[in-house]
Amino acid sequence: AQRVTQPEKLLSVFKGAPVELKCNYSYSGSPELFWYVQYSRQRLQLLLRHISRESIKGFTADLNKGETSFHLKKPFAQEEDSAMYYCALRSGGSNYKLTFGKGTLLTVNP
Amino acid sequence: DAGVIQSPRHEVTEMGQEVTLRCKPISGHDYLFWYRQTMMRGLELLIYFNNNVPIDDSGMPEDRFSAKMPNASFSTLKIQPSEPRDSAVYFCAIGSGTKGDEQFFGPGTRLTVL
Repeated sequence: AQRVTQPEKLLSVFKGAPVELKCNYSYSGSPELFWYVQYSRQRLQLLLRHISRESIKGFTADLNKGETSFHLKKPFAQEEDSAMYYCALRSGGSNYKLTFGKGTLLTVNP
Repeated sequence: DAGVIQSPRHEVTEMGQEVTLRCKPISGHDYLFWYRQTMMRGLELLIYFNNNVPIDDSGMPEDRFSAKMPNASFSTLKIQPSEPRDSAVYFCAIGSGTKGDEQFFGPGTRLTVL
């Protein structure tokens, strides 16, 4: 069975500080990992996917297969980054089912 | 963004009543997903369809829950009878096997069962 764990329900940082949202997964194969974000009063939306190796809004995430982790990082947090962040896993191939973590609420204080 | 329309946006009902949640996706996406979000359990997949056919309903909590997709532009999630523990936000999302793996979420329906 696949599982995604986000150990922090709440994370609070000050503006300009580095931020890291943790995500660990459990899956025996080669998963695809994603970060989704939900800003206040907005829809849940894709932030980034590991296969793209992209930086979106200053966020990056590296898949570490040895540690089965996919932590989301940003060197300098901004107030507009305050949102709910979900890590998600897809087993790949033709299976489009996503397994989500329980989410981390990030608050960036001024 | 009208990619996925959900109705109603809020529903308050009494225990034992039937509840029907609706989803209208835009065309061109062959996958449709129903999720439930609660504080305790986070975001859980209930069921998903491919080309209007249910593929995986292992997340449906019990027989009180049922979902249908009669055509590519409409889906329903029904709870009968409803219970207070069904109170949650229910999301509909769409995806495409040919357009990448991103899922596009609707605004959700906040259900409160008294």
